[in-house]
Amino acid sequence: DSGVTQTPKHLITATGQRVTLRCSPRSGDLSVYWYQQSLDQGLQFLIQYYNGEERAKGNILERFSAQQFPDLHSELNLSSLELGDSALYFCASSEGNTGELFFGEGSRLTVL
Amino acid sequence: DQQVKQNSPSLSVQEGRISILNCDYTNSMFDYFLWYKKYPAEGPTFLISISSIKDKNEDGRFTVFLNKSAKHLSLHIVPSQPGDSAVYFCAASAWAQGGSEKLVFGKGTKLTVNP
Repeated sequence: DSGVTQTPKHLITATGQRVTLRCSPRSGDLSVYWYQQSLDQGLQFLIQYYNGEERAKGNILERFSAQQFPDLHSELNLSSLELGDSALYFCASSEGNTGELFFGEGSRLTVL
Repeated sequence: DQQVKQNSPSLSVQEGRISILNCDYTNSMFDYFLWYKKYPAEGPTFLISISSIKDKNEDGRFTVFLNKSAKHLSLHIVPSQPGDSAVYFCAASAWAQGGSEKLVFGKGTKLTVNP
């Protein structure tokens, strides 16, 4: 158990819809990262938040947005969903001083 | 542009033998390298790391080697066990440069250790 909690574990929705994925980091971790893993792809970095502020941005589509709340949990919002958005979405957290990320079990999104 | 490359999608070895997983990177700003292991239906878990100031780091059966001039690192598992069967991801960051701690991952290598 990494200590990172993601909900929901599975989500099935239709094209054009909007979903929210939630992540609770390990206790004490200030940084939260979101990664996307599509079929046969590695983990693609989407975005990082540190103590409520956006710190780094990767290949995140404009239809996607994220935020980190004062209690340090984070949400990833995916809107106008397309079939190609079907993927595993991982959240990770870190202390910020070891270089290691601790991953949750992921949220599997299926867009039909 | 793929900055971290794992050119072997899969690797199969016999139990007790050595497993060698390879990884190449292109970004010379990377200064910290990690290996993660991932089982089905689970998130990646940290395995071992190495800083660019070292060329080898060992932790039990796992050893990571870094060749900076070749921009190449490898993970050795000796002896391999069936429980090591998983997907192994190589990752890199420009952590010590003062940038984000975000990791750039390769596509992974699926290791199968046969009994």
